[in-house]
Amino acid sequence: DTEVTQTPKHLVMGMTNKKSLKCEQHMGHRAMYWYKQKAKKPPELMFVYSYEKLSINESVPSRFSPECPNSSLLNLHLHALQPEDSALYLCASSQDRPGTNEKLFFGSGTQLSVL
Amino acid sequence: DQQVKQNSPSLSVQEGRISILNCDYTNSMFDYFLWYKKYPAEGPTFLISISSIKDKNEDGRFTVFLNKSAKHLSLHIVPSQPGDSAVYFCAASSGGSQGNLIFGKGTKLSVKP
Repeated sequence: DTEVTQTPKHLVMGMTNKKSLKCEQHMGHRAMYWYKQKAKKPPELMFVYSYEKLSINESVPSRFSPECPNSSLLNLHLHALQPEDSALYLCASSQDRPGTNEKLFFGSGTQLSVL
Repeated sequence: DQQVKQNSPSLSVQEGRISILNCDYTNSMFDYFLWYKKYPAEGPTFLISISSIKDKNEDGRFTVFLNKSAKHLSLHIVPSQPGDSAVYFCAASSGGSQGNLIFGKGTKLSVKP
């Protein structure tokens, strides 16, 4: 199994809603990532979990809250988002921690629209 | 300030010919470079990588060249196929830091039959 699975594929939410994005991998990878990608822009790193501990938070607003329940799962909890948060949210994993020149495996993403 | 630059937003190539995608970087601490391919509504897929200790890496139809003195790398696809039509992202990381991958803006490749 070489897949990173993300659910849901599409999500529409209002600014007062609370929702969660889910990501799962069964490759035994020990690092998992959340990226945000706006149209015609490169993916931008949001968070990194390494060995189930948050190791990088790229100054992301607190309305985005990551959670790593175990080494295979990564969630992104969303609350009180703004329309400008509409984007493709990509989950990725790598075999080892960041800084070891590991390639990232990406999921297909969740296309989020905030109304 | 962009550390990884892909100055061509798009490239159109005839099937069977060579596609050359270019990437420039500014951070001399980068020591690992990757190319990702992305189809619409899918996540990026790893294509090929190169370490800064090499100047060339080849995998089938794909070859990546690295010119450290010019801070430039390129991806060659030979021969190009219509299925290669996608957005190609160049990415770089510095293993000495926390290893954050920095992506370029991407180049949309169209291979025409």
